[in-house]
Amino acid sequence: KQEVTQIPAALSVPEGENLVLNCSFTDSAIYNLQWFRQDPGKGLTSLLLIQSSQREQTSGRLNASLDKSSGRSTLYIAASQPGDSATYLCAGLSGGSYIPTFGRGTSLIVHP
Amino acid sequence: GAGVSQSPRYKVAKRGQDVALRCDPISGHVSLFWYQQALGQGPEFLTYFQNEAQLDKSGLPSDRFFAERPEGSVSTLKIQRTQQEDSAVYLCASSLGTGGRGYTFGSGTRLTVV
Repeated sequence: KQEVTQIPAALSVPEGENLVLNCSFTDSAIYNLQWFRQDPGKGLTSLLLIQSSQREQTSGRLNASLDKSSGRSTLYIAASQPGDSATYLCAGLSGGSYIPTFGRGTSLIVHP
Repeated sequence: GAGVSQSPRYKVAKRGQDVALRCDPISGHVSLFWYQQALGQGPEFLTYFQNEAQLDKSGLPSDRFFAERPEGSVSTLKIQRTQQEDSAVYLCASSLGTGGRGYTFGSGTRLTVV
């Protein structure tokens, strides 16, 4: 069974800092990994989806990487802004499964 | 529709009351998921539909929880005799196929049992 861990659980940084959020998974036969953003009281907004055949995906200031051999994905946020404050969740889908498994998320605060 | 729609957005139920939560997925999406998210936690899987077939209900916490998707589009999650521990956000997600292209989530229903 796929298990997903996110470290750190919470992070507070000053505006403008570059930062890295980590996601670890136990099943290296991962099919894809998706990063989401969740604002307080809201649903999940998809940020980036990385297929197992890919090593990274980029969207604006966000870059996500996937290393199947080490069981890790990272979300890199460049030049962080207060509007980036939210909880970031990763979800892994194992090969042969239909059901993505989520981590507990990293709560990010970017202060001016 | 353009996105996944869930209703109601908020529901307050007295302990013992039955509730029904609705999910309207993106038109044409084959897969539909229900997740439960407790405060400060990640979403926990409840059940999965492929069209009208409920292929996995292993995450439903008790037999008080029941989900259906009779025509392969709208889904309803029903909780009977609600208890305080059922208080959570219930999230619905849909996917065009079986997940290879990722998932789209609704805004969730926040259930509070008092």
